[in-house]
Amino acid sequence: DQQVKQNSPSLSVQEGRISILNCDYTNSMFDYFLWYKKYPAEGPTFLISISSIKDKNEDGRFTVFLNKSAKHLSLHIVPSQPGDSAVYFCAASDQAGTALIFGKGTTLSVSS
Amino acid sequence: DTEVTQTPKHLVMGMTNKKSLKCEQHMGHRAMYWYKQKAKKPPELMFVYSYEKLSINESVPSRFSPECPNSSLLNLHLHALQPEDSALYLCASSVGSGANVLTFGAGSRLTVL
Repeated sequence: DQQVKQNSPSLSVQEGRISILNCDYTNSMFDYFLWYKKYPAEGPTFLISISSIKDKNEDGRFTVFLNKSAKHLSLHIVPSQPGDSAVYFCAASDQAGTALIFGKGTTLSVSS
Repeated sequence: DTEVTQTPKHLVMGMTNKKSLKCEQHMGHRAMYWYKQKAKKPPELMFVYSYEKLSINESVPSRFSPECPNSSLLNLHLHALQPEDSALYLCASSVGSGANVLTFGAGSRLTVL
C-alpha cells in the first residue's frame, strides 16, 4: 500500500509560468517531507524540505506548502525554467527514524 | 567533499556470478543506505546502516548482502541474482538516521542476464 502518492505521472508547463506538483500521504506519523529532483542517469538531488510544524517553506523559486489536515503537500516552482525539466519525487519520514519513503514521481517538462 | 560516489556505474552479470557494488562518502555522515529503483517506480529502501551497524533490513533476499567496513564505505555483495533484480541501485548517506536529508550517489545500473 502506497504511503506517499504522486497521482500525476507528468506535467507540462511553459517557461516562465508556475509549475505545481502535488503529493498526498496516508501515514499520519509522517512529520518531515522532502522533494527531490532526478535527471536521467543521475541520483536524486535534494531540493527542499518542510517539517510538520510549518505550513510553508521557501527557497528561491521553490516553495513547498503543507496541509496536514488534508495530508497533502505541493511544490511550486516560479518561474519555471527549461532546466527544471526532470522527475520530481516527494518523500516522507516519521519520528521513529525510518528512512525516506518515496512517491512514484512526476515528470515535469518545461518548454521554452 | 559533498558527494556520494558509486562504482561501477554499469554492471552486467550472469545468474551464477558474484559481484559487488561499492559506495563511498567523505562527508562524515554516520548513516548509509541502499535503495533499489526499477523503471518508472520510486526508490525502494533495502538496507540502512547507522554508525556502521545494520539497523534496517527491509526483508531483502539473502542473495543481496550488505557490508559496512567503515563509516565511509558501504558495499552490496551480489550472488545468484535473478533477472528481475535488474535495476538501478542507489546508495545514499545522511548525517544520522531519521528525518535527515539524504545525499544520493548517481547509482549503479545492474543488468542480470
